Amino acid sequence: EAQVTQNPRYLITVTGKKLTVTCSQNMNHEYMSWYRQDPGLGLRQIYYSMNVEVTDKGDVPEGYKVSRKEKRNFPLILESPSPNQTSLYFCASSLDSNYGYTFGSGTRLTVV
Amino acid sequence: AQSVTQLDSQVPVFEEAPVELRCNYSSSVSVYLFWYVQYPNQGLQLLLKYLSGSTLVESINGFEAEFNKSQTSFHLRKPSVHISDTAEYFCAVRPLGAAGNKLTFGGGTRVLVKP
Repeated sequence: EAQVTQNPRYLITVTGKKLTVTCSQNMNHEYMSWYRQDPGLGLRQIYYSMNVEVTDKGDVPEGYKVSRKEKRNFPLILESPSPNQTSLYFCASSLDSNYGYTFGSGTRLTVV
Repeated sequence: AQSVTQLDSQVPVFEEAPVELRCNYSSSVSVYLFWYVQYPNQGLQLLLKYLSGSTLVESINGFEAEFNKSQTSFHLRKPSVHISDTAEYFCAVRPLGAAGNKLTFGGGTRVLVKP
């Protein structure tokens, strides 16, 4: 089944403790992206990648890192999480710019 | 840069009544347009999209949206809603071509279908 898989689905952590949210897609898509969803703000792009080793900042990149060493994986790293990073995170992938994105099921992160 | 405005944050509607969700966008370049649906506790699913051609696009579950270039709108409609249509709906745009890495979303419209 074609899909985008994120792990974990839920995560509660403490301020300052490094964490990684994994994302993997099995559709050989070139584009991958991370979004965060907050009430009333819709979804905002954190980082995106247009291919292996090609990444760039989205609208809200502060406090996040990404890497794209393989085409299928695009992990999101929070080196020192803070409470304002409590949010619902979505990973998404797309074949190219002429298509919509396919989204993962989301990761609900709480930073206390 | 692009921006998307969904004019209604919540829309309560009775079952079998029609519903319209409004979406307006602004962009300095040509864009593709999308509607996504998010059911409770789930990820986003593509509902329908406008890339080119006929300005009226339809989904398999009875929704339709019309692209109006002069009004920069992409409103979503359904003539008769079901309880199962209760969800949050997001309008989004994506620029054409090489700059098309980013999907810009509106703030979402929460539809609550009442029996």
